[in-house]
Amino acid sequence: QITLKESGPTLVKPTQTLTLTCTFSGFSLGTHGEGVGWIRQPPGKALEWLGIVYWDDDKRYSPSLKSRLTITKDTSKNQVVLTMTNMDPLDTATYYCAHRPPYELLWFDIWGQGTLVTVSS
Amino acid sequence: DIQMTQSPSTLSPSVGDRVTITCRASQGVGTWLAWYQQKPGKAPKLLIYKASTLQSGVPSRFSGGGSGTEFTLTISSLQPDDSATYYCQQYDTYATFGQGTKVEV
Repeated sequence: QITLKESGPTLVKPTQTLTLTCTFSGFSLGTHGEGVGWIRQPPGKALEWLGIVYWDDDKRYSPSLKSRLTITKDTSKNQVVLTMTNMDPLDTATYYCAHRPPYELLWFDIWGQGTLVTVSS
Repeated sequence: DIQMTQSPSTLSPSVGDRVTITCRASQGVGTWLAWYQQKPGKAPKLLIYKASTLQSGVPSRFSGGGSGTEFTLTISSLQPDDSATYYCQQYDTYATFGQGTKVEV
């Protein structure tokens, strides 16, 4: 059974850097074909894909946010970390990590519960 | 960027109704399209991928169709538990989501 859970600060100040951790179980990013993505959702708004890291440490980012994002993995800890720099109130959102099935394209079959991050001074 | 546009934005059908949601892509995405269901305060749940493949465990009253730029999600006989917001997502070029369709039973 695959599960994922996001953790990190609930409040960050403008211009600060956000660091979120996704801790997962039921699969390994050391296994060929696996991937973990990040998606966010501002309150009352639509979903927005942020990026993904693959088993081979390849990464892909949303072109509109690429300059601000870094995704890393720690295979031994079953964790993926999202870093977003220069946070703005418009980045207030629920941030989700999600599992991409092995060797599939960019769709997600299992999602974490999400964590709400508020950007405010 | 590929833009995804859903219609309608909201629906207020009755239990037992057949419901169809449309998703249009700004350029062709083949059949690289997924549908998700999201209930308030919850994470999205995958319903369909590759435009028409039903995810394991999803009731058969849900079905998907289309290719290229126009896609549909159909609920054949709406149930009270189907009240939710539904999102389409293309994954031909990176990933982008539609703005959502709220179904209020």
